[in-house]
Amino acid sequence: GAGVSQSPSNKVTEKGKDVELRCDPISGHTALYWYRQRLGQGLEFLIYFQGNSAPDKSGLPSDRFSAERTGESVSTLTIQRTQQEDSAVYLCASSPAGTGQGFGNTIYFGEGSWLTVV
Amino acid sequence: SQQGEEDPQALSIQEGENATMNCSYKTSINNLQWYRQNSGRGLVHLILIRSNEREKHSGRLRVTLDTSKKSSSLLITASRAADTASYFCATVASGTYKYIFGTGTRLKVLA
Repeated sequence: GAGVSQSPSNKVTEKGKDVELRCDPISGHTALYWYRQRLGQGLEFLIYFQGNSAPDKSGLPSDRFSAERTGESVSTLTIQRTQQEDSAVYLCASSPAGTGQGFGNTIYFGEGSWLTVV
Repeated sequence: SQQGEEDPQALSIQEGENATMNCSYKTSINNLQWYRQNSGRGLVHLILIRSNEREKHSGRLRVTLDTSKKSSSLLITASRAADTASYFCATVASGTYKYIFGTGTRLKVLA
């Protein structure tokens, strides 16, 4: 697609329920990132995908959080047994290739999914 | 801890004035980027500066990078009310793929 697409835009869920957040990256982008941003704060790195493998899951806050990606396409971030502290905007971003030595790719963000746990 | 830390945390200026934001980071980097965020939603890329560059311009934006001090600054000249947003620096540590974002500077430009 033209840009990174995330759904839902807004989600209100009851504490203890599971939620799935979806990210559709820009077509052809091999790298995909998930970040979490609490109100008024910076971005916390959650997970990075290169293709459909996740070489770095170090940012996932707990085992209630998981993510998967189908090929170089859609990614889903799942939060099980949601807690109030999970309330945040979850931002997805994609990039043409993995970054590293000598790379200087821009990453392109979606508009985020605002999750409220009540 | 965060790779990038911006200061000030918040900045309020009059339209037409210049706004300067600073970013410090901790490790060697490949590049540093600045992003803008309106209303807590998606971030928009503004400018990228590579580790072997010292200064870069894009329209009303000027970015400097001092790798010896591990710091960068973003200058917005002749600010407009529409520049009101949060600004973040992001760094990619050498040999990694992970973009680490700072805590951001909230800029308010008063008309």
